[in-house]
Amino acid sequence: GAVVSQHPSRVICKSGTSVKIECRSLDFQATTMFWYRQFPKQSLMLMATSNEGSKATYEQGVEKDKFLINHASLTLSTLTVTSAHPEDSSFYICSARDFLASDYNEQFFGPGTRLTVL
Amino acid sequence: ILNVEQSPQSLHVQEGDSTNFTCSFPSSNFYALHWYRWETAKSPEALFVMTLNGDEKKKGRISATLNTKEGYSYLYIKGSQPEDSATYLCAFEGRGSTLGRLYFGRGTQLTVWP
Repeated sequence: GAVVSQHPSRVICKSGTSVKIECRSLDFQATTMFWYRQFPKQSLMLMATSNEGSKATYEQGVEKDKFLINHASLTLSTLTVTSAHPEDSSFYICSARDFLASDYNEQFFGPGTRLTVL
Repeated sequence: ILNVEQSPQSLHVQEGDSTNFTCSFPSSNFYALHWYRWETAKSPEALFVMTLNGDEKKKGRISATLNTKEGYSYLYIKGSQPEDSATYLCAFEGRGSTLGRLYFGRGTQLTVWP
C-alpha cells in the first residue's frame, strides 16, 4: 500500500504555545487529506477534511481557529494546534486519499503524533 | 453522530485458534466499510474496503464478510499467529457529502499467545 509519513511522532510543549504537525504522502498524490484525533480508550474521531488548494472542512465541535489546516500541495498537509492547552493533549493522526486513482476507495494513514501539553 | 460498534473489545487466543470479530454500523446511506489492522507505533494498515452487500474478501488467513442491509461485518482470522496480535479497526463511510469521511469503532484488541 501507499506510504504516509507524519512528523513529529511525539511532541511535548508548554501551554499557550503552537505546535505544527506535518503529514506527507510519499509515493502518491493525495487529493484529500483527513485529520483525526484519539483520546484514551476512544475511537479515532474525524476532525477535518482538507482538499488540496482549498479551505478545510471541519467537523462539528472542532474549532477551526484553534486547529489550522493547510493543504498547500498534493503531498503535504499540516495541522497547527494554536495556543495549545492541556485538554488538547491527544493522539493526532492523518490519512490521505487519491480520489483520482483507480483505487480511490483506499485511505492510507500516517503513524500518528502524540501531543502532550504541559 | 454515527455509531459504529465493535465487539469484543479485546480477545486473547492461543496460537492456532481461529477467531472472529464483529463490526456493526448504520444500514442507511452506506458507501463502504473499511477494515484496518493497527500495531502499536505503526500506521494503521488497510486490510479491506468492502462496498457491496454480500461481499466476501480474503487476504491470506484473514477474511471478511459484509451485510449492508442489517449493518454488520465480520472479520475472521484462521489459525491465529502471534504476529496477528494487533488492534483491528472498522470504519463506516457514507455516501454523498460524507464521502471519504470515516467513522471508526473503538477496535478489537487481539492478543495471540504462542
